[in-house]
Amino acid sequence: NAGVMQNPRHLVRRRGQEARLRCSPMKGHSHVYWYRQLPEEGLKFMVYLQKENIIDESGMPKERFSAEFPKEGPSILRIQQVVRGDSAAYFCASSPYGTDNSPLHFGNGTRLTVT
Amino acid sequence: EDKVVQSPLSLVVHEGDTVTLNCSYEVTNFRSLLWYKQEKKAPTFLFMLTSSGIEKKSGRLSSILDKKELFSILNITATQTGDSAVYLCAVARSGTYKYIFGTGTRLKVLA
Repeated sequence: NAGVMQNPRHLVRRRGQEARLRCSPMKGHSHVYWYRQLPEEGLKFMVYLQKENIIDESGMPKERFSAEFPKEGPSILRIQQVVRGDSAAYFCASSPYGTDNSPLHFGNGTRLTVT
Repeated sequence: EDKVVQSPLSLVVHEGDTVTLNCSYEVTNFRSLLWYKQEKKAPTFLFMLTSSGIEKKSGRLSSILDKKELFSILNITATQTGDSAVYLCAVARSGTYKYIFGTGTRLKVLA
């Protein structure tokens, strides 16, 4: 039973390029959460999605960032026109229900470096 | 504003020592407090605490929550070099998975 799968593990982009980060939830899970971890900081919530719906995007910057979780395929976090400040580790977690009391289990993350 | 504060920020000990990591919080609609261990990659789940005064234990690690004083501690006894990691505390609010994380305690255990 595979856990949350994220790819790529490492991504290098030049300033102004686009970054696409993928997250495949655990089997049977239809809720996905994205968190960002800046160097030397804790994880910060970005966005919560169910299949085909964004439920809460209050932690996501209003510009350049978008997320989707289509009916088929992985969830995608997209960052357009990346800047150096976007360099961070992006973690994804999934759950079977939105308010279940079981703890979140995170994927291995994508480490984005903007040069 | 909701916040989770961990202390100390970093800690260096020798193998065999016992350490206590602290986590205090001010969060509305508290549901549970969680501890994670983070090495180079994913935070891995250690404990989830919802009730005051009930110790959770796993091997050399244990944790307890005080909902009156709004804090939790994570104890590690007989530390080993493999315990070297960042330990993250997070609080979950009712009805949401929008965890609020502390900045972590970086533990280094020397052989």
